[in-house]
Amino acid sequence: GAGVSQSPSNKVTEKGKDVELRCDPISGHTALYWYRQSLGQGLEFLIYFQGNSAPDKSGLPSDRFSAERTGGSVSTLTIQRTQQEDSAVYLCASSSGGQASEAFFGQGTRLTVV
Amino acid sequence: AQKVTQAQTEISVVEKEDVTLDCVYETRDTTYYLFWYKQPPSGELVFLIRRNSFDEQNEISGRYSWNFQKSTSSFNFTITASQVVDSAVYFCALKDGTSYGKLTFGQGTILTVHP
Repeated sequence: GAGVSQSPSNKVTEKGKDVELRCDPISGHTALYWYRQSLGQGLEFLIYFQGNSAPDKSGLPSDRFSAERTGGSVSTLTIQRTQQEDSAVYLCASSSGGQASEAFFGQGTRLTVV
Repeated sequence: AQKVTQAQTEISVVEKEDVTLDCVYETRDTTYYLFWYKQPPSGELVFLIRRNSFDEQNEISGRYSWNFQKSTSSFNFTITASQVVDSAVYFCALKDGTSYGKLTFGQGTILTVHP
């Protein structure tokens, strides 16, 4: 597609349920990032995939969070046993992979845990 | 460790005023890249500019200009003759060699331009 696509746009879930957030990066982009943005806050790095290298998971806040990237393209961020503090906008971005390359962001998934 | 600081949490100006958004960064690498992004009320982050550590030339694009000074580790962003459409959250970000590919963002500056 022309840009980074994320689905769903909005997700309301009950505390304790698992959720999956999907990201379709720009075709050909080898790098993919997940960030989290809480209300009125900055961007918190979660995880980074680059080609076939092991992902940088250093930003995942707990073992309830995991992400995978299948076939070097689509990525899924999974949050298990959701908590209210997980409520945020989850942003995905992709880039061509070079160190200098800028990242292009999707429109985000707004997750609300009730 | 890399760090980006945007000390101005919120700025409010009246249309046609000039405004400068400050960004100070920390990195131990000699090769690094700096970015500015705009996040309008719609929510999607929009890339504005990239600057690498070897190029200290200032850049101007229309009403936007960027001042990169390695001596003070700053990469400031100026909007000349601001317009209401400039109202957004602006983020400065850093990518260096020790964290290949990982973009570290500042906390963002909320700019409100009043008519």
